Amino acid sequence: GAGVSQSPRYKVAKRGQDVALRCDPISGHVSLFWYQQALGQGPEFLTYFQNEAQLDKSGLPSDRFFAERPEGSVSTLKIQRTQQEDSAVYLCASSRGLAGGETQYFGPGTRLLVL
Amino acid sequence: AQSVSQHNHHVILSEAASLELGCNYSYGGTVNLFWYVQYPGQHLQLLLKYFSGDPLVKGIKGFEAEFIKSKFSFNLRKPSVQWSDTAEYFCAVNAPDSSYKLIFGSGTRLLVRP
Repeated sequence: GAGVSQSPRYKVAKRGQDVALRCDPISGHVSLFWYQQALGQGPEFLTYFQNEAQLDKSGLPSDRFFAERPEGSVSTLKIQRTQQEDSAVYLCASSRGLAGGETQYFGPGTRLLVL
Repeated sequence: AQSVSQHNHHVILSEAASLELGCNYSYGGTVNLFWYVQYPGQHLQLLLKYFSGDPLVKGIKGFEAEFIKSKFSFNLRKPSVQWSDTAEYFCAVNAPDSSYKLIFGSGTRLLVRP
């Protein structure tokens, strides 16, 4: 079946521009996660949705970052007034259930470069 | 704060050599443990995971990992690597009090020479 998809795969933005990154999770998956992966590092948690509810946004680096999942399926991560330090790969993952320890399935990521 | 340490950032092996990648975590309670792999140009994929029970876990492609609670370790092993194992390997921890978050190590890049 189809896995997690993300678009765009690559995004170049000028500093100060707003960007929107899309995630299509595996159909029927309840949980959705966003991670940020800087060059040479492991992914770092940003935020978590259970259906349409954003239960944890503790990893969002600043109030310029905003995520939503209004209908409990597709999610969008929006970054306002992008800065050079926002350059990273943004990964989306989904899992079937609600419990901890469920396998998270990752998408290919969106590589964001802020000039 | 919880953290995950991967000791080797880069490993170079010849085909048929044995592999062991170290992973240590700092969390005193019950944890779920994972190894993910990222092949060149591909997305992160689960290799294996440990929740409870037998501390020796077998995963895909001949990989296994051993959970040693007293050492807070979850090392990844493979008896004989292949060129196709060239990839980046990430250890991750999922703790019950933040049950949905994965906390990743910084990764180990493995290059297997034919």
